[in-house]
Amino acid sequence: NAGVTQTPKFQVLKTGQSMTLQCAQDMNHNSMYWYRQDPGMGLRLIYYSASEGTTDKGEVPNGYNVSRLNKREFSLRLESAAPSQTSVYFCASSEDRIQPQHFGDGTRLSIL
Amino acid sequence: DQQVKQNSPSLSVQEGRISILNCDYTNSMFDYFLWYKKYPAEGPTFLISISSIKDKNEDGRFTVFLNKSAKHLSLHIVPSQPGDSAVYFCAAYSPRSGNTGKLIFGQGTTLQVKP
Repeated sequence: NAGVTQTPKFQVLKTGQSMTLQCAQDMNHNSMYWYRQDPGMGLRLIYYSASEGTTDKGEVPNGYNVSRLNKREFSLRLESAAPSQTSVYFCASSEDRIQPQHFGDGTRLSIL
Repeated sequence: DQQVKQNSPSLSVQEGRISILNCDYTNSMFDYFLWYKKYPAEGPTFLISISSIKDKNEDGRFTVFLNKSAKHLSLHIVPSQPGDSAVYFCAAYSPRSGNTGKLIFGQGTTLQVKP
């Protein structure tokens, strides 16, 4: 009964360090998403992948890259972390782009 | 440019009473709306949705109303229970916009249900 699994749950980085956030889903969903949640801002879409082998930018893609490794896994990479990227990151998946999305429990990332 | 707005950051109600959470949107291309509930340290969970071809959708204690002319939707919880205390996000989707797969979320409303 795992659903969407995100690792790590917490991470502290120094400015300029790089990091990859991992996400895996076991529901055989086609679409996967990365969001960030900041106070007073709701959830904002960073990148998404409508199907295996495709990725597209969302609202706030700058400073991030993604890889849809296979149908199950969708990773988010910060090449050179900045304090403005301090946030809670959520991965989600859905059967297709209109179906309700299922979310992981988030990665809390702090950049000093 | 906030296309989906939840103007009330918080709401407090007594157990057993009705909770009404509101959401306004600006983009008339939105034609599918969802509500999510989020507990601390957990991811959002899907609660209920409504298509623009309907004006009401009901699921147990939860009812969503859509007023397209006013670009407004609301979530009614009756009766409210302490376990309903959470942050509620409304979200809108526009499958015809060309921006495929893009859910736009509101800022969230924190609901507290007092015993």
